[in-house]
Amino acid sequence: ETGVTQSPTHLIKTRGQQVTLRCSSQSGHNTVSWYQQALGQGPQFIFQYYREEENGRGNFPPRFSGLQFPNYSSELNVNALELDDSALYLCASSRAGQVSGNTIYFGEGSWLTVV
Amino acid sequence: AQKITQTQPGMFVQEKEAVTLDCTYDTSDQSYGLFWYKQPSSGEMIFLIYQGSYDEQNATEGRYSLNFQKARKSANLVISASQLGDSAMYFCAMREGQGNFNKFYFGSGTKLNVKP
Repeated sequence: ETGVTQSPTHLIKTRGQQVTLRCSSQSGHNTVSWYQQALGQGPQFIFQYYREEENGRGNFPPRFSGLQFPNYSSELNVNALELDDSALYLCASSRAGQVSGNTIYFGEGSWLTVV
Repeated sequence: AQKITQTQPGMFVQEKEAVTLDCTYDTSDQSYGLFWYKQPSSGEMIFLIYQGSYDEQNATEGRYSLNFQKARKSANLVISASQLGDSAMYFCAMREGQGNFNKFYFGSGTKLNVKP
């Protein structure tokens, strides 16, 4: 148990629709990042939020957006869904400022299928 | 260029034997972190072990050890006394970034099967 919870665990959407995925961080963690893991691949960094602002982004288009709330929970929003968006979406939390061994702790992910 | 390379898509090991999972990395940063995660079929990424770029000794965590060879830019995971529950995907990852920003790069993973 990492203390990071995600919802929903599984969902199916139609191409062109919008989806919102939610993440609750581990207690005491003020940073949240999102990763996309396509089938058979490693996770790919989407973006990171710190103090409610996006402070880093990977190679994902603007239709991938997010929010971080004052309680450090977070949302990932994806607009205009495409078939290639089908993947496991992982949320990870960490505490900024810890230098040594600053790992990120993952939730169990949200499996998104776009049809 | 790939930041993290895992060249073994799949590995088999006999229960109770040791196994080494390979990982090489590419970075020009002086300060970075190397990690290994285990991912069972449920999907959750489980943190196993960490090695800092300035750490001179190899990291160990129970049955897991990280064979860190900085000059070769390799960070192999060694699992001793394999157990059936070790069967899973294993990902090597590198953290780059400073201050409050941390970006993790992951390899493509190695699927480990432990045979009874």
